[in-house]
Order: sequence, then C-alpha cells, then structure tokens
Amino acid sequence: SQQGEEDPQALSIQEGENATMNCSYKTSINNLQWYRQNSGRGLVHLILIRSNEREKHSGRLRVTLDTSKKSSSLLITASRAADTASYFCATGANGAQKLVFGQGTRLTINP
Amino acid sequence: EAGVAQSPRYKIIEKRQSVAFWCNPISGHATLYWYQQILGQGPKLLIQFQNNGVVDDSQLPKDRFSAERLKGVDSTLKIQPAKLEDSAVYLCASRTGRPGGRDTGELFFGEGSRLTVL
Repeated sequence: SQQGEEDPQALSIQEGENATMNCSYKTSINNLQWYRQNSGRGLVHLILIRSNEREKHSGRLRVTLDTSKKSSSLLITASRAADTASYFCATGANGAQKLVFGQGTRLTINP
Repeated sequence: EAGVAQSPRYKIIEKRQSVAFWCNPISGHATLYWYQQILGQGPKLLIQFQNNGVVDDSQLPKDRFSAERLKGVDSTLKIQPAKLEDSAVYLCASRTGRPGGRDTGELFFGEGSRLTVL
C-alpha cells in the first residue's frame, strides 16, 4: 500500500524557476525522506527530515514537514535541466526500518 | 565504495516462465530490500531482510514470488510462474541497519532489473 501521495503528479517549469512538490501521508512517522529517480535508473536519496524537525536545507533543496497536517514539501530553487526526474517522498514509521514510497512527481525542466 | 549491484538489467520472458534476479548490497549493510516498481508508480516493498532473516514480506505474493538471503549478504528474488502483471522494474536497496551504528536512515538503490512478461 502507498503511504504518501505527491502533488502534483507532473510539473513542467522553465530553467531557473523554483519547483515545489508536496507530499501527504496518513499515519504517524519517524522520518520522511525524498528521493530522485532519473529515467531508467535507481533512486537516489536527497534529504531526510525527522518528525521533530520542521525545516531542513541541503544545497538548492529545502524540505519542510508539518506533522499536524501530515504533509511535507520539497522546494528546488534555481532549477536546472539536470533536475528533470521523478521525485518521491518516503515515510519511515517508528520502530520500523522499511520505507513506504508515494507515487511520485514527474518534474520537467525546460531549457 | 561500490554501490548496490543488480543483475540482469533487462529480462524478457513468456508468461508462466520463471525468472531470477540477483542483488549484492553495499558491503556491511545488514538490511536489504526488494521493491517492485510498475511503470508510472512508486516503488512497492516486496520483502525486507535483516541479515539473513525476513523482517517484512507482507506484500510478497508468496504463491509465485520467493526471495532468499542465505548468508546475509547477496540475495535472489525469484518469480515462478510469471504473470503479465509482473512486468515491472525490480529494485534492490540496502541500508546500514546496524543498531548503534552510523545508520542515517538512507536507502541505497541499485539500477534495477527491468522485467517484461509477454
């Protein structure tokens, strides 16, 4: 079963613009992670935010977490063509090491 | 550090045939996962191992899918007999997973094995 739901399912923007993707989940979590997947490749970890954190930065990435609303957002600033990929949120529950992935957002950066 | 290795990268079989996928995780990673990713969807967990023991196989179709990690290192996932709906990419991932160790919670994925069932 899928825990997270990303919104939008697809996003197309111009290079240099910011891209925002949202993730909602249903049950209590220990942490939430974001992964990127280029076409035909495996997933690559981008960032992890723990349930007691509200915001985290890594380079051009900014992740927020609102546990009261059971939602997270991923912001990519100053997008580049190389950011074209699918982005997935994944949730980890307390006491478990498994990650449950959402359906993903397909991001296209137009040059 | 070598990444997660998977083989084969691509496999085409007829329905009712069998297929096996192999995964070698990052050295020292105790936790190994097999995920199924159908085109256009997110990865779905099939099975999770901690060393050579199964932690979670609740979504593994056990009538046709089997997986093992006999020595707690590499793993195989088998499908027998295959159905059309098994067409997907099978992703292997590993994680440090050692209590008290430097487990960042991050999963490391292989490139995947793409299965097409005709």
